[in-house]
Amino acid sequence: EAGVAQSPRYKIIEKRQSVAFWCNPISGHATLYWYQQILGQGPKLLIQFQNNGVVDDSQLPKDRFSAERLKGVDSTLKIQPAKLEDSAVYLCASSFGVNYGYTFGSGTRLTVV
Amino acid sequence: GQQLNQSPQSMFIQEGEDVSMNCTSSSIFNTWLWYKQDPGEGPVLLIALYKAGELTSNGRLTAQFGITRKDSFLNISASIPSDVGIYFCAGQRKTSYDKVIFGPGTSLSVIP
Repeated sequence: EAGVAQSPRYKIIEKRQSVAFWCNPISGHATLYWYQQILGQGPKLLIQFQNNGVVDDSQLPKDRFSAERLKGVDSTLKIQPAKLEDSAVYLCASSFGVNYGYTFGSGTRLTVV
Repeated sequence: GQQLNQSPQSMFIQEGEDVSMNCTSSSIFNTWLWYKQDPGEGPVLLIALYKAGELTSNGRLTAQFGITRKDSFLNISASIPSDVGIYFCAGQRKTSYDKVIFGPGTSLSVIP
């Protein structure tokens, strides 16, 4: 079974620039999550999708972050404009449903300079 | 907001030793999860616990769901070099759509 695919693996941008991350979940997984992991901390949920609908985006900084999962499969997470404190690893995870354990991708490491 | 605390923050042990780490919360959780993260990778689920008092093993790993529902423990027996990594506990509250909250992690180093 193919895992959760994320790209790019690394990204370096200047503050105030825009950046987008892409995630392809495991085939058949209805639930998709984006987490932010700052160095030395545990992952923090940004947004949770069930198919193409948003279940929880309470911790997503909506003034600069946006995410979509238009066809209920792939998802993109965008930051516009980026701030220095956005430097982190952005992890995507997917599962069959909310009561099932989920699988993480390898993440995208973002550095904002 | 809800927070999980993990202890110890880091530990250095000799290969072959047993390891114990724990996770506590001020809130009650319905599900406790333990993950391991290797450098440059996403966390991988080790053990899931769904019932207070539950004791579950996965090879050399054993985890317990605390009776109070506010804590969980992970033990690793006979540690080996590949056990090196960061171990995260995570909890989920009552409803199915509650988000999973992660602790800050315990960093484990194994000295051969």
